[in-house]
Amino acid sequence: QKEVEQNSGPLSVPEGAIASLNCTYSDRVSQSFFWYRQYSGKSPELIMSIYSNGDKEDGRFTAQLNKASQYVSLLIRDSQPSDSATYLCAADSSNTGKLIFGQGTTLQVKP
Amino acid sequence: SAVISQKPSRDICQRGTSLTIQCQVDSQVTMMFWYRQQPGQSLTLIATANQGSEATYESGFVIDKFPISRPNLTFSTLTVSNMSPEDSSIYLCSVEGTSGYEQYFGPGTRLTVT
Repeated sequence: QKEVEQNSGPLSVPEGAIASLNCTYSDRVSQSFFWYRQYSGKSPELIMSIYSNGDKEDGRFTAQLNKASQYVSLLIRDSQPSDSATYLCAADSSNTGKLIFGQGTTLQVKP
Repeated sequence: SAVISQKPSRDICQRGTSLTIQCQVDSQVTMMFWYRQQPGQSLTLIATANQGSEATYESGFVIDKFPISRPNLTFSTLTVSNMSPEDSSIYLCSVEGTSGYEQYFGPGTRLTVT
């Protein structure tokens, strides 16, 4: 069964620190990877996508992909209390258009 | 990204009844998806709805329980039939993006079955 795994947390970091969120996936055919942010009571919001090995930066967010290790990560620099949310990692399922979601990691940024 | 709306935003229903959830998109999309998110859990895909064809259901979900309609490229409905308290959940529709396999989510429907 194809899976995406994340540490459920909570991950607690002080304000201004770097938060590092990790994700592994089982389907070697997966080519597209996504990070969603979900605030409590809200729907998931796409914040990053990554398709190639290496780093992709967007503002305070950096996504990292290592296909050989089947590993995806999200770094949040200068973490703010407003970053406190659950972060969902997702991978495409064998080019079907469907996404497989991890369980999500809860991030708490403490002032 | 597309603007997606869902109706109703929340509802409280009695067991044994059915609820139809609507999903409207402001642009034409080929693929729409329906998910369930149970309390404290991640997203579980119920089915994929493509316009002009029958919905494709994931393992554990059946058409009799979750009938789906997709009459055009901007609209879909999901019905939760013969509800039980175990159906209490958030139901989300999503649509494919234009760049690849990314998906964008509607605001969700919070369903409570008593």
